[in-house]
Amino acid sequence: EIVLTQSPGTLSLSPGERATLSCRASQTVSSNYLAWYQQKPGQAPRLLIYGASSRATGIPDRFSGSGSGTDFTLTISRLEPEDLAVYYCQHYVSTPYTFGQGTKLEIK
Amino acid sequence: VQLLQSGAEVKKPGESLKISCEGSGGSFSDYWIGWVRQMPGKGLEWMGIIYPGDSDTKYNPSFQGHVTMSVDKSINTAFLQWSSLKASDTAMYYCARGWQWLINWGQGTLVTVSS
Repeated sequence: EIVLTQSPGTLSLSPGERATLSCRASQTVSSNYLAWYQQKPGQAPRLLIYGASSRATGIPDRFSGSGSGTDFTLTISRLEPEDLAVYYCQHYVSTPYTFGQGTKLEIK
Repeated sequence: VQLLQSGAEVKKPGESLKISCEGSGGSFSDYWIGWVRQMPGKGLEWMGIIYPGDSDTKYNPSFQGHVTMSVDKSINTAFLQWSSLKASDTAMYYCARGWQWLINWGQGTLVTVSS
């Protein structure tokens, strides 16, 4: 089973700044089979990125994904107050798929 | 496809439960449905996926034997059920559409198990 470790646990930034969230896998995530989700307080998660770098429908281009192998990054440029959320990565190399433990993004 | 989940449930340990996830606005049988658990204040846990077309299922071993996924294509609905609930089953349960990445999600069903 692939274990995903996200860092940092909490990130506190100001509007307009850039956020860089990390997701590290315990083994190679083949074919870049990695997705990112956003979960705002009290809401269901929402798909942001799949295939490590492809934005889901309706996701602003402020959100971008990159990486390969065992190291992946979600970047949010030009933070807005509405980006307050917990962000999760998830692999889908083989079942059981797993999620990272999440990074909480706070907006100052 | 939009997913609408059944309402919150309060149960006692040992009781059975079946929650639902109804799809609308598309071809329900063409897409896998996944289930995700979120315990209070915790992260997301992938429980498994089911294909409505033929009821093929893939369980997370951590959940296999304790929960059962099923579908009824005739009413575009997927189900998650327990035969004997435990207090540790208290959580929000989400259904979501997708085989690999989870494209769109239901609103969640809160299950509370308490004596």
